[in-house]
Amino acid sequence: ETGVTQSPTHLIKTRGQQVTLRCSSQSGHNTVSWYQQALGQGPQFIFQYYREEENGRGNFPPRFSGLQFPNYSSELNVNALELDDSALYLCASRHPGLAGVSGANVLTFGAGSRLTVL
Amino acid sequence: DAKTTQPPSMDCAEGRAANLPCNHSTISGNEYVYWYRQIHSQGPQYIIHGLKNNETNEMASLIITEDRKSSTLILPHATLRDTAVYYCIVRLSNNYGQNFVFGPGTRLSVLP
Repeated sequence: ETGVTQSPTHLIKTRGQQVTLRCSSQSGHNTVSWYQQALGQGPQFIFQYYREEENGRGNFPPRFSGLQFPNYSSELNVNALELDDSALYLCASRHPGLAGVSGANVLTFGAGSRLTVL
Repeated sequence: DAKTTQPPSMDCAEGRAANLPCNHSTISGNEYVYWYRQIHSQGPQYIIHGLKNNETNEMASLIITEDRKSSTLILPHATLRDTAVYYCIVRLSNNYGQNFVFGPGTRLSVLP
């Protein structure tokens, strides 16, 4: 297992621009979810992908979109950036075989991409 | 909204046990209690989970009250590296569409 890796680790954008964040899931994990974490707060769920389809979404506008690829890597795209989009964006993956086994529903998180919007 | 409430911060002396409480009075019968922690500048890390029995692993112990309305995460011998924000979360075990709802957590400071 190689863990969950995210890129870039840090980036700065200006208001109105678009950004793409990337995530490489842990080997064998076919479910990926994205979270936004503002400074001093807990992570907030954006959406989740399973087998390349979105199957859950939090309270985020459509300008937040995503993709999951056949190799289970994924992207988070944010259009028309706003100042409040400044945050740490976390990707998390889950192994399909763990769910339902003794209640295991363990997410493995990456270290995140810190986005600053000026 | 998070279904759990936790104290915003706690201190613990290095080498002593850290006991982090969590209230989840509205937990349903088939919801599990999960604990994650987030060390500065890293993503959240899974610690432990349980349904109704006490659980122990190499990282921590989880004590769940008999009525399941509260739980305590125990780090038996806290070290400086255990300084982190600790999140208590309740959710169904196998609902793929249900996300993890993180509250603000408890900021644990382990003091030398």
